[in-house]
Amino acid sequence: DAGVIQSPRHEVTEMGQEVTLRCKPISGHDYLFWYRQTMMRGLELLIYFNNNVPIDDSGMPEDRFSAKMPNASFSTLKIQPSEPRDSAVYFCASSLVPRGPTDTQYFGPGTRLTVL
Amino acid sequence: QKEVEQNSGPLSVPEGAIASLNCTYSDRGSQSFFWYRQYSGKSPELIMSIYSNGDKEDGRFTAQLNKASQYVSLLIRDSQPSDSATYLCAVNFYILTGGGNKLTFGTGTQLKVEL
Repeated sequence: DAGVIQSPRHEVTEMGQEVTLRCKPISGHDYLFWYRQTMMRGLELLIYFNNNVPIDDSGMPEDRFSAKMPNASFSTLKIQPSEPRDSAVYFCASSLVPRGPTDTQYFGPGTRLTVL
Repeated sequence: QKEVEQNSGPLSVPEGAIASLNCTYSDRGSQSFFWYRQYSGKSPELIMSIYSNGDKEDGRFTAQLNKASQYVSLLIRDSQPSDSATYLCAVNFYILTGGGNKLTFGTGTQLKVEL
């Protein structure tokens, strides 16, 4: 299996521009997660989906951030307008429906975003 | 606020020694515990999971869980330079309504294994 796929791997943009990050989860996985990682705050969950439905978006920092999952094999995280403090590595992860308390999350390679 | 605490390190150990990494968590309802390894510039990868009190061994790795004291640890025996990475502790509180799989991560402990 190909694993979680993210694009682009690197993104450099200017403040005020719109940024769209993309993710393809592992086929058959029902959960999809978006994380942000910075040196200061570590790995933070932004939002997660179950069967394409957003379940918890309490980690989304501001209205400038939005996420969609139009089908089981694709999700986007959009930042509009972008700001320098959004610079971070954004990870997408996916997992199966847990039979018990939880199940393993598999991470994509990440998108390194730099906002100038 | 559910929190996961780790010592940021760096933790330096000589090659062949045992590395001991610790993690405490605030939510007594937490049910699943994970250790992820993250090499510099790479994504986190799962190395151990543990759900019950006690020890769980997998090769050179042993995870230990004590729910009463709310801590989880990872032991790496015969440490190798290739073990040098940041180790992230992650904790799950299972959300019954609507299903849930939400993990809270610690900020990680950097491990350096020296020759």
